Amino acid sequence: GENVEQHPSTLSVQEGDSAVIKCTYSDSASNYFPWYKQELGKRPQLIIDIRSNVGEKKDQRIAVTLNKTAKHFSLHITETQPEDSAVYFCAASIGGGGGADGLTFGKGTHLIIQP
Amino acid sequence: EAQVTQNPRYLITVTGKKLTVTCSQNMNHEYMSWYRQDPGLGLRQIYYSMNVEVTDKGDVPEGYKVSRKEKRNFPLILESPSPNQTSLYFCASRPRGGRRTQYFGPGTRLLVL
Repeated sequence: GENVEQHPSTLSVQEGDSAVIKCTYSDSASNYFPWYKQELGKRPQLIIDIRSNVGEKKDQRIAVTLNKTAKHFSLHITETQPEDSAVYFCAASIGGGGGADGLTFGKGTHLIIQP
Repeated sequence: EAQVTQNPRYLITVTGKKLTVTCSQNMNHEYMSWYRQDPGLGLRQIYYSMNVEVTDKGDVPEGYKVSRKEKRNFPLILESPSPNQTSLYFCASRPRGGRRTQYFGPGTRLLVL
């Protein structure tokens, strides 16, 4: 099955700096890559996603890049703010009806924004 | 309001005492899943369902059962809970096709003594 590795497990950055979280996946059939943000005591919530036919996607301060050849994708957060402090999970899915539907998650990155 | 609900939110039980965690969604989603979240392990899928009466195992199904008799409900059953099932459990749903966003419930924190 799919295996998703996520690095780093903890990332501390100064407020206003950029943060980058990286993930690799094992199954070349995976074609959907979402990122979830989980604040303390809350449920995971989707912040951005990308499909395998796109190399990059941006939404305000957040961007995701995908390199299908190398099987890795990254989350980029610019101009970090205190409210960005949370645990971030990457995930990969084969999806597409008929097969297993679930997401395979990375182990998470605890992002700490230092004032 | 479109949402996924879970009950109970917190549960303390003892080894071997059967329990059920309910999950319900009001978005008419075909797909539903159960995940468990453990420190350092992220979220791992337990079971999923692609429609009524269609269920399949995820990555960590041992010790769990599910059923999908109605589209909106997807209960998680622990027939004989053990301490290693102490965890935070999330139910999630999504529609068939289109954007594959998973909508998560609020979570159920389970402690098995």
